[in-house]
Amino acid sequence: DTAVSQTPKYLVTQMGNDKSIKCEQNLGHDTMYWYKQDSKKFLKIMFSYNNKELIINETVPNRFSPKSPDKAHLNLHINSLELGDSAVYFCASSQDHGGRRQYFGPGTRLTVT
Amino acid sequence: QQQVKQSPQSLIVQKGGISIINCAYENTAFDYFPWYQQFPGKGPALLIAIRPDVSEKKEGRFTISFNKSAKQFSLHIMDSQPGDSATYFCAASKTSGSRLTFGEGTQLTVNP
Repeated sequence: DTAVSQTPKYLVTQMGNDKSIKCEQNLGHDTMYWYKQDSKKFLKIMFSYNNKELIINETVPNRFSPKSPDKAHLNLHINSLELGDSAVYFCASSQDHGGRRQYFGPGTRLTVT
Repeated sequence: QQQVKQSPQSLIVQKGGISIINCAYENTAFDYFPWYQQFPGKGPALLIAIRPDVSEKKEGRFTISFNKSAKQFSLHIMDSQPGDSATYFCAASKTSGSRLTFGEGTQLTVNP
């Protein structure tokens, strides 16, 4: 059983389109995160939800909107995609909202052309 | 600002050698220091972690050394193997916080 799963694995789309990435965790964790990993491998946190409540909202364009329908799911919707949005997006979860031991999903490679 | 600085950016080691990756932090409120390992095409995975009340933690071939006064910690991989080739991230967090602050990552290549 996959602990943290993301779909799709790969996403290729054109500038201006809107796309969503879905994340689900079956670990029973209370906190979920979205990270962006750029071409230099730097991991940057974007959002964090604890029990469906937004607790971290980093300085990301408001074209990015997270949605947590329940504590096992955290989806990421991106409007009006730009070339600079091309990256690998990781979902993660942790038992505590201190973010200590985090379990990462396999990532979604987004390519905007 | 980059609160956790990691070096080197890349490292090449021969099989059987020792790999050493260093990190320095600024925030003295940090009290948890994990290392994550990421293989190509995969998400990062927790490798080993340390709290500042100990100076060293060892798990198999992996050891974290921690120097609280210098605000530095390092990962040592003994008897490095080609299967250890991956990107390694140090990180830090604080009890009152809600996130991990990651270093920039080190790409380790272990040659056979």
